Amino acid sequence: GAVVSQHPSRVICKSGTSVKIECRSLDFQATTMFWYRQFPKQSLMLMATSNEGSKATYEQGVEKDKFLINHASLTLSTLTVTSAHPEDSSFYICSARDPTGNLGEQYFGPGTRLTVT
Amino acid sequence: LAKTTQPISMDSYEGQEVNITCSHNNIATNDYITWYQQFPSQGPRFIIQGYKTKVTNEVASLFIPADRKSSTLSLPRVSLSDTAVYYCLVGETGGFKTIFGAGTRLFVKA
Repeated sequence: GAVVSQHPSRVICKSGTSVKIECRSLDFQATTMFWYRQFPKQSLMLMATSNEGSKATYEQGVEKDKFLINHASLTLSTLTVTSAHPEDSSFYICSARDPTGNLGEQYFGPGTRLTVT
Repeated sequence: LAKTTQPISMDSYEGQEVNITCSHNNIATNDYITWYQQFPSQGPRFIIQGYKTKVTNEVASLFIPADRKSSTLSLPRVSLSDTAVYYCLVGETGGFKTIFGAGTRLFVKA
């Protein structure tokens, strides 16, 4: 099946700094990618929908100025956590749909563990 | 987007068949039912998808009754490595976004 990668797999940063997470679709082009956040023992929470060539669509309660999303190409979306604080520590997961797939299933990246100290 | 309800957790033993049922009473005509598996600190992995009746692949079977208000994921002869969280999602194939419910935490014991 299709592969989605994320980089880095884990990152530790100091409070107040910004962190960028990359999400790539390796063998298909994705016009739409999704960003999720997952806290321990909880389900995935959709943060935003990343659209190639246009602005991201954020879910209610997600600060768009804090979580900057850029979908610069059909294979790359980035999430930048600006001025990170300890409460932003979480597991961030991206996903993409393969438009050529007949089931329309989402392919998820391996996730990025962010720890803010 | 149809809301789903699943048991919070289930326990099983190696070699047993496990059935996880998901309720989705307000499923729409165009909605498909999709199940994902997630291991700790990993992204979810697609297991199976169906619209009605029964779907089977090399990993699992999915049973959907005629009214489509529920579905059952069947895992044959589970092993310790099947310990994971299983999510049932309902939505249009290729739909714009996917909302995850709480999922079912399956624990397989030796």
